[in-house]
Amino acid sequence: GAGVSQSPSNKVTEKGKDVELRCDPISGHTALYWYRQSLGQGLEFLIYFQGNSAPDKSGLPSDRFSAERTGGSVSTLTIQRTQQEDSAVYLCASSFAPGPYGYTFGSGTRLTVV
Amino acid sequence: AQKITQTQPGMFVQEKEAVTLDCTYDTSDPSYGLFWYKQPSSGEMIFLIYQGSYDQQNATEGRYSLNFQKARKSANLVISASQLGDSAMYFCAMREGLTGANSKLTFGKGITLSVRP
Repeated sequence: GAGVSQSPSNKVTEKGKDVELRCDPISGHTALYWYRQSLGQGLEFLIYFQGNSAPDKSGLPSDRFSAERTGGSVSTLTIQRTQQEDSAVYLCASSFAPGPYGYTFGSGTRLTVV
Repeated sequence: AQKITQTQPGMFVQEKEAVTLDCTYDTSDPSYGLFWYKQPSSGEMIFLIYQGSYDQQNATEGRYSLNFQKARKSANLVISASQLGDSAMYFCAMREGLTGANSKLTFGKGITLSVRP
């Protein structure tokens, strides 16, 4: 597609439920990133996929968070047993390759845990 | 230690004037890239400008320029001729290593810019 597509755009869930957030990167972009942005804050790195390499999971805040990228394209971020502190905007970005390229970000998924 | 520091409080500028948004960074890697992004109230992240650590000249993109002072580890964004549409949050970010496996961006906390008519 023309841009990075994320779904859903908004998600309200009850504490303790699992959620899945989807990211469809720009076609041909080999690198895909997930970030989290809490209200009024900067972006917190979560996980990074590059081609067929093992993902960099160093930013995942707990083992309740996991992500996969199928076929080098679409990625799903899963949060199990959601907590209120998980409420944030989850942003996905993709880029052509590692290097001096700016990322293209999606519009994000606003997750609210009640 | 924070890798990207943006300490200015909310910034205000008069329309048509220039404004400088400060960013300092910390890295021991000789190869790195510096980025600025704009985030309007709609929430999208818009890439503005890039500066590589080995670039000899300051980057420019239209009304945006990057005042890169390597020895001081600063990468300030200059917006010339401010427009009302420039009102947004601005983030400075760094990628350590220009290629290879470690390609994530580390972001600062951002600066809010308000342009007054």
